Amino acid sequence: DQQVKQNSPSLSVQEGRISILNCDYTNSMFDYFLWYKKYPAEGPTFLISISSIKDKNEDGRFTVFLNKSAKHLSLHIVPSQPGDSAVYFCAASGGGGGADGLTFGKGTHLIIQP
Amino acid sequence: DGGITQSPKYLFRKEGQNVTLSCEQNLNHDAMYWYRQDPGQGLRLIYYSQIVNDFQKGDIAEGYSVSREKKESFPLTVTSAQKNPTAFYLCASSKGRGGYRSAFGAGTRLSVL
Repeated sequence: DQQVKQNSPSLSVQEGRISILNCDYTNSMFDYFLWYKKYPAEGPTFLISISSIKDKNEDGRFTVFLNKSAKHLSLHIVPSQPGDSAVYFCAASGGGGGADGLTFGKGTHLIIQP
Repeated sequence: DGGITQSPKYLFRKEGQNVTLSCEQNLNHDAMYWYRQDPGQGLRLIYYSQIVNDFQKGDIAEGYSVSREKKESFPLTVTSAQKNPTAFYLCASSKGRGGYRSAFGAGTRLSVL
């Protein structure tokens, strides 16, 4: 059963516009959420994170919003640039059960159109 | 520069063969992790280690083994018991528990001959 879900396998956005990537989770024990960016045949690189005690975190063009009651988070990229084209993974930590590590969604492939 | 080094970048396994993937970090991180990525899938946790000489199974540990004899090193062995080993393998490390802000290596792509 998937605890972290990214329901959009791909998203196409025009350069300069806002990109909004969504993520839903089911485990209410998650207390920390992260977004990673990944290019083909490379490891993921950390982008931005948010603790469950916050509802927004901003870093330059990237903002992550967390809605705990809806178990939903989103990543906003403004303005979108060609270099943002990549696969974006939502990940969560602290799911309980004594386990460690991150639980990942399946990713959303963001394509920035010129 | 601190980082995580995985080797080799590409690896081929014959039927019945065990192969070992290397992961070294110089970030002075306590925790290390191995993930597997299949096409169109997210990353799934194979094994993790929070301290030297200790490691725990993740979600898909069957057919894999690890060791953690040094803080810097966390090699993964894909055994012949792993019937579907073809995947992209990623090693990660983090300062503390929970995988918070894990840093990742560049990955090893394993294929079966």
